[in-house]
Amino acid sequence: QVQLVESGGGVVQPGRSVRLSCVSSGFTFSDYGMHWVRQAPGKGLEWVAVIWYDGSNKFYGDSVKGRFTISRDDSKNTLYLQMHSLRVEDTAVYFCARDFRGGYYYLDYWGQGTLVTVSS
Amino acid sequence: EIVLTQSPGTLSLSPGERATLSCRASQSFTSSHLAWYQQKPGQAPRLLIYGASTRATDIPDRFSGGGSGTDFTLTISRLEPEDFAVYYCQQYGSSPYSFGQGSKLEIK
Repeated sequence: QVQLVESGGGVVQPGRSVRLSCVSSGFTFSDYGMHWVRQAPGKGLEWVAVIWYDGSNKFYGDSVKGRFTISRDDSKNTLYLQMHSLRVEDTAVYFCARDFRGGYYYLDYWGQGTLVTVSS
Repeated sequence: EIVLTQSPGTLSLSPGERATLSCRASQSFTSSHLAWYQQKPGQAPRLLIYGASTRATDIPDRFSGGGSGTDFTLTISRLEPEDFAVYYCQQYGSSPYSFGQGSKLEIK
């Protein structure tokens, strides 16, 4: 069965960097686009970024553009989110999710998320 | 960026009743590229509906989606106790693939 397991969260100071990982199993990772979605404590879902199945396209939400970078390593079935210049408002649970197809569809499987807390 | 506005913010109903949730987009997007998700406390979201009206795998037929253009709805025909949760719409027709702010369905 499809499994997505995020890691890399924790407490980080404002202005610092952190990299999240999402290890996938149960499907052919290289065939699918992958997304990051976040949820601040007690708030709604916010779409963060997508990378197409072949890595040819990457798109970002306006609030993270220029600070976050999405990438993938198909040899390791792993999705990454490199986060720079972190702000207090980046505090959230970060979910990785599989795209139904190449990166331009809905999100059909989700991980359980990893919490990033940005605080001094 | 397409902004999705969901209403109502909170809906209080009893089991057995019918629930109708709305999602309105600030502009049209690729036809019917609208999904609905359900999220319960402490859990990841779960896909319910895609293509505006197609139920995802294993989703009961009491859930139905409709609409087109800029106005979409999620209807739950007869509420079961496990349906009380937060529901989000999402458009995937145009990047950034925005979510609505959510509608909370609570037990009356």
